[in-house]
Amino acid sequence: QVTLKESGPGMLQPSKTLSLTCSFSGFSLSTSGMVVSWIRQPSGKSLEWLAAIDWDGDKYYNPSLKSRLTVSKDTSNTQVFLKITSVDIADTATYYCARRSTGPFDYWGQGVMVTVSS
Amino acid sequence: DIQMTQSPASLSASLGETVTIECRASEDIYNGLAWYQQKPGKSPQLLIYNANSLHTGVPSRFSGSGSGTQYSLKINSLQSEDVASYFCQQYYDYPFTFGSGTKLEIK
Repeated sequence: QVTLKESGPGMLQPSKTLSLTCSFSGFSLSTSGMVVSWIRQPSGKSLEWLAAIDWDGDKYYNPSLKSRLTVSKDTSNTQVFLKITSVDIADTATYYCARRSTGPFDYWGQGVMVTVSS
Repeated sequence: DIQMTQSPASLSASLGETVTIECRASEDIYNGLAWYQQKPGKSPQLLIYNANSLHTGVPSRFSGSGSGTQYSLKINSLQSEDVASYFCQQYYDYPFTFGSGTKLEIK
């Protein structure tokens, strides 16, 4: 059974660094073709793909945010992390992690709401 | 980036009706297109992948079609549980991009 779950600070101040964790089970990120992505969704709006890391450790970033994003994974291949530097109010959103292999996102986490506020 | 233009933004239909949602890509995405359903307060759920393949467990009243830059999602015999927002997404090329969404309501 594949499950993913995001965790994060809930609220943070502008200019700080946001650190998110995606903990997953039911699959291994070391399996060829497996990828975990981060996607966010401001309240009432559409979805924005942010970053991904694959089974081989290759990383992919949305160019619009690339300078602020860092994606990584742990050595046991059970967690993926995302850091976003210099957050501002526009980064307020629900953040999801999702799994894909060669196609679409077939499993999603429940999401974690992050509010940027002073 | 590949832009995904989705229409309509909202849709109201009666139970039992058939509805269609359209998605246009800014360039050929070679059927690298998925449709997701998102109910309020929940994460998106995969409905259709590769433009026309039904994901496991999805009711057969959902279907996808299209090619090149034009794609559509059709829902036959609308049910009350279909009230949700629907998003298209291209996974042909990074950065992956989503449509703006369609909010479906029952009339």
